[in-house]
Amino acid sequence: QKEVEQDPGPLSVPEGAIVSLNCTYSNSAFQYFMWYRQYSRKGPELLMYTYSSGNKEDGRFTAQVDKSSKYISLFIRDSQPSDSATYLCAMSEGDYKLSFGAGTTVTVRA
Amino acid sequence: KAGVTQTPRYLIKTRGQQVTLSCSPISGHRSVSWYQQTPGQGLQFLFEYFSETQRNKGNFPGRFSGRQFSNSRSEMNVSTLELGDSALYLCASAPLHFGNGTRLTVT
Repeated sequence: QKEVEQDPGPLSVPEGAIVSLNCTYSNSAFQYFMWYRQYSRKGPELLMYTYSSGNKEDGRFTAQVDKSSKYISLFIRDSQPSDSATYLCAMSEGDYKLSFGAGTTVTVRA
Repeated sequence: KAGVTQTPRYLIKTRGQQVTLSCSPISGHRSVSWYQQTPGQGLQFLFEYFSETQRNKGNFPGRFSGRQFSNSRSEMNVSTLELGDSALYLCASAPLHFGNGTRLTVT
């Protein structure tokens, strides 16, 4: 079993819809939780960074962390075609080693 | 502020050869991490350097090595290349910001 599980999709939604992404993990020592967006032929771009449990909002993006369930989510409101990309969750115990999910490919249809 | 710079962007090598990849972190950042990204295994941690010292290492064979210089620039070396080493190699600066990677193809 992988340390971080993420459904690879693909996920296809119409423009304006809410995109819901999630990851589960098994390592209870994870304290820092990140979401990245990766476009083709590019490196991962940091979208959200949260510490411990709770919600964090940044523009159209909301990240949720539930440490009791070992479950994290990312919601994208009012999705745009430019949001079409692969979304990766990542986690860390507090050192500089990140453990990644497999990534979910999202397509937003115009 | 300049981002993470990785060179070269693309490389084609033959089995058995060795390769060196370079990464310049964001100015002022002293930590550099390296990751391998493949379709089958996703993003996997290789190692992390801080102030010229390796602080953390992933589960990769000894053919994968790295170093960091006093100006924080880092190099990663892969010796005796295998077909399975074909991947996107990503560098991260302290520890969250990634470059666009070096695409290595081994033939």
